[in-house]
Amino acid sequence: GENVEQHPSTLSVQEGDSAVIKCTYSDSASNYFPWYKQELGKRPQLIIDIRSNVGEKKDQRIAVTLNKTAKHFSLHITETQPEDSAVYFCAARKRNAGNMLTFGGGTRLMVKP
Amino acid sequence: NAGVTQTPKFQVLKTGQSMTLQCAQDMNHNSMYWYRQDPGMGLRLIYYSASEGTTDKGEVPNGYNVSRLNKREFSLRLESAAPSQTSVYFCASSEQTTGGMETQYFGPGTRLLVL
Repeated sequence: GENVEQHPSTLSVQEGDSAVIKCTYSDSASNYFPWYKQELGKRPQLIIDIRSNVGEKKDQRIAVTLNKTAKHFSLHITETQPEDSAVYFCAARKRNAGNMLTFGGGTRLMVKP
Repeated sequence: NAGVTQTPKFQVLKTGQSMTLQCAQDMNHNSMYWYRQDPGMGLRLIYYSASEGTTDKGEVPNGYNVSRLNKREFSLRLESAAPSQTSVYFCASSEQTTGGMETQYFGPGTRLLVL
């Protein structure tokens, strides 16, 4: 089955700096890669996603890049703010596997004011 | 529009007891899911239902059963709870959009403690 590895597990940055979280996946048949944000005590919520036919997608301060050859994708947050502090999860969905997502282990991002 | 709702919010069980976690969505989604979340383990899929009347095992199905009661409701049952099932359980629902993109909407979670 699919295996998704996420790094780092914790990340501390100064407000205004950039943050990068990286994920690798094992199955080259995966074709959809969402990122979820989970604030403390809350439910996960989708923040950005990308399909395998696209190399990069941007939405205001967040962007996702995908390297299909290397089987890795990354989340980039620019101009970080304290409200960006949360746990971020990457995920991958395999083609022809229904809607099943395999999640990475999560990254706890702390933005220090 | 309440989205995805779950009951109960918190439950304490003794080893061997049974219980059912309830989930409902009002977004008319076809697909529904049950995940468990343990520290450092991310979200792991227990069971999912691609459409009403169908259910399939996910990554960690042992010790659980599910029922897709109708399009709105998807329940998770623990027949004989074990301490290893202490976790936070999330229900989610989704609908695939044109182009294959999809958003899974999560419920607020059920925190389960098995003693």
